[in-house]
Amino acid sequence: AQTVTQSQPEMSVQEAETVTLSCTYDTSESNYYLFWYKQPPSRQMILVIRQEAYKQQNATENRFSVNFQKAAKSFSLKISDSQLGDTAMYFCAFMDPLGGATNKLIFGTGTLLAVQP
Amino acid sequence: DSGVTQTPKHLITATGQRVTLRCSPRSGDLSVYWYQQSLDQGLQFLIHYYNGEERAKGNILERFSAQQFPDLHSELNLSSLELGDSALYFCASSRDRVGAEAFFGQGTRLTVV
Repeated sequence: AQTVTQSQPEMSVQEAETVTLSCTYDTSESNYYLFWYKQPPSRQMILVIRQEAYKQQNATENRFSVNFQKAAKSFSLKISDSQLGDTAMYFCAFMDPLGGATNKLIFGTGTLLAVQP
Repeated sequence: DSGVTQTPKHLITATGQRVTLRCSPRSGDLSVYWYQQSLDQGLQFLIHYYNGEERAKGNILERFSAQQFPDLHSELNLSSLELGDSALYFCASSRDRVGAEAFFGQGTRLTVV
């Protein structure tokens, strides 16, 4: 069974600094998708970034970028120029499409990020 | 706003009761997913419906059931409720494309007392 591990339960960063959140996963598949979602205190789940495993280029979305290391099964999220609004729980998620049958997500346990003023 | 609507936002009920959670997906999305978020289990996939048919099942209890209607809205039915069923229940929807990202509703906070 696929698993997702986030080994940092909590992290803290100063405003305007850069922080990296770690995620590793376990799968025997070669074609899959990886995501980072954030959950602010409002509890809404918000998509941050998406990575396709067959693309070697790391995905970026404005201040958010990933370091995808397929061989190491690692998918870390880098947040640059951290802002107070980035304070949230961040979840790493894995998707194995099972031949197109389902896009269900397997989530890690989350990293609680606090951005300090 | 994700475009996914869940009702109600909060629900308090007693043990042994039955409740129904409702979800309307984003316009154009045929897939609806249900997830449960609890302190001890984290975020877990429950069930996936595509255009009215069940596509995949996760760790969903036999006391729980779901369906998707012709207008594509979905309902999650939870019966014989126990204290441990207290959780945040999310609905998400996605396009019919392999690897499509899921967009989540605001969740229904269920408290069983």
